[in-house]
Amino acid sequence: EPEVTQTPSHQVTQMGQEVILRCVPISNHLYFYWYRQILGQKVEFLVSFYNNEISEKSEIFDDQFSVERPDGSNFTLKIRSTKLEDSAMYFCASSEGVAGGSEQYFGPGTRLTVT
Amino acid sequence: AQSVTQLGSHVSVSEGALVLLRCNYSSSVPPYLFWYVQYPNQGLQLLLKYTSAATLVKGINGFEAEFKKSETSFHLTKPSAHMSDAAEYFCAVSGRGFQKLVFGTGTRLLVSP
Repeated sequence: EPEVTQTPSHQVTQMGQEVILRCVPISNHLYFYWYRQILGQKVEFLVSFYNNEISEKSEIFDDQFSVERPDGSNFTLKIRSTKLEDSAMYFCASSEGVAGGSEQYFGPGTRLTVT
Repeated sequence: AQSVTQLGSHVSVSEGALVLLRCNYSSSVPPYLFWYVQYPNQGLQLLLKYTSAATLVKGINGFEAEFKKSETSFHLTKPSAHMSDAAEYFCAVSGRGFQKLVFGTGTRLLVSP
């Protein structure tokens, strides 16, 4: 069964450093998403991406964040200058379509720890 | 704006007992509703979804949920709990034409022998 994969599974970085979280969505999916879950809190939407453009972003997704689909398979989330409060589990998701409540398939997540 | 409220951060049941996890939604447009399960150190897996077809939705692992517009609810049930059902369960909502999922705070299901 096709699945969304994410690397690394765990990343530790120092405050102020740049990090890139990588995701490989399911191959025939067209819509891509990033969510995050701070420990003990709810899963929060960050950004959605379609046709090489951001289609929606949340208030969390400020200028420190960017997304990119550098090739036909990868989807990345970059945090330019990490803060302590960026420590969270980051989930990538993809869906085949957007109409009709298309299912979003989630990856296993990358745990980001900022020290 | 859309939101979901999950009542009870923790629910404890005995193996074989009924599981009932509560979710109420708020949406200015007809909603799509989802239940996801998260096992320890894993991602989110879709259990079931409501997309305006049948109001009683059956999902994987014996779970089902009923959409009740009058009560703005989408509670998740399972007739008989199994130890393997112990996990975190998230209710989520999205709107027609909106892609993002808005999640509830989650309910941790504990199953005792």
